[in-house]
Amino acid sequence: AQSVTQLDSQVPVFEEAPVELRCNYSSSVSVYLFWYVQYPNQGLQLLLKYLSGSTLVKGINGFEAEFNKSQTSFHLRKPSVHISDTAEYFCAVSEDSSYKLIFGSGTRLLVRP
Amino acid sequence: DTAVSQTPKYLVTQMGNDKSIKCEQNLGHDTMYWYKQDSKKFLKIMFSYNNKELIINETVPNRFSPKSPDKAHLNLHINSLELGDSAVYFCASSLLDRKNKNIQYFGAGTRLSVL
Repeated sequence: AQSVTQLDSQVPVFEEAPVELRCNYSSSVSVYLFWYVQYPNQGLQLLLKYLSGSTLVKGINGFEAEFNKSQTSFHLRKPSVHISDTAEYFCAVSEDSSYKLIFGSGTRLLVRP
Repeated sequence: DTAVSQTPKYLVTQMGNDKSIKCEQNLGHDTMYWYKQDSKKFLKIMFSYNNKELIINETVPNRFSPKSPDKAHLNLHINSLELGDSAVYFCASSLLDRKNKNIQYFGAGTRLSVL
C-alpha cells in the first residue's frame, strides 16, 4: 500500500537561507509525485509535480524537487527563502491507474526575519 | 475566475443538524473529489466521482452522502452532524487521462465547526 512520510513536522529557517523539506514514499509500482502548498487559511496550491522524464522538476516560486527512485524520495528545495514562503507543505503520491492522492502529514515551513 | 469553488467557506452548526457543502469546477475536468483535513492538518480522501459515477468511497460514515448532478458539480451532504465532523473539507478536480496523470486542483476549503 502507498504511504508518504514527511519526517519534519516543522522547519524553522531564516530569511534568505536555503531549505530542504523531506518526503519519502512507499509503493511497489510506478508513482506520480506532487508537492502542494497551503498558506494560512487557504486551499492547497500545486507547487510542482513529477510525472516522468527528468528527475529534477521545477515549480512555482523558485521551488524545485528531485525524484530519487532508489531512495524513494522526493525532497523539496529552495536556495533562498522569503518570509512569504511561510506555509504548510504537503507531499503526495498517486500510483499509476489509481485515482487517489495519498498525502503526507505536512511540514510547516516557518521563515524568520 | 475561480477554477474550483466551494460554498460556504465557513459553516457553524449544532450537533444533530444536516448540512450540505457545494463544489463546482470550471476546468472541464471529468473527476471530482472530497477530502477531509483534520485538526492536525492531515488530509484524507473521502469520495471521488468520475463522469458522475462514484469511483472512490473510503471508510466514511454513511451519514456522509456525495452527489454529483453533472461532471462540473460535486456536493457533500452530511446528516446528523457530530462533534468529530469538525474539520476543513476540500473539493478537488482532475482530468483522468494519460497526459494529465490525475493532477488534482483544489478549492479553498470549507471550515465546518460543529458545536
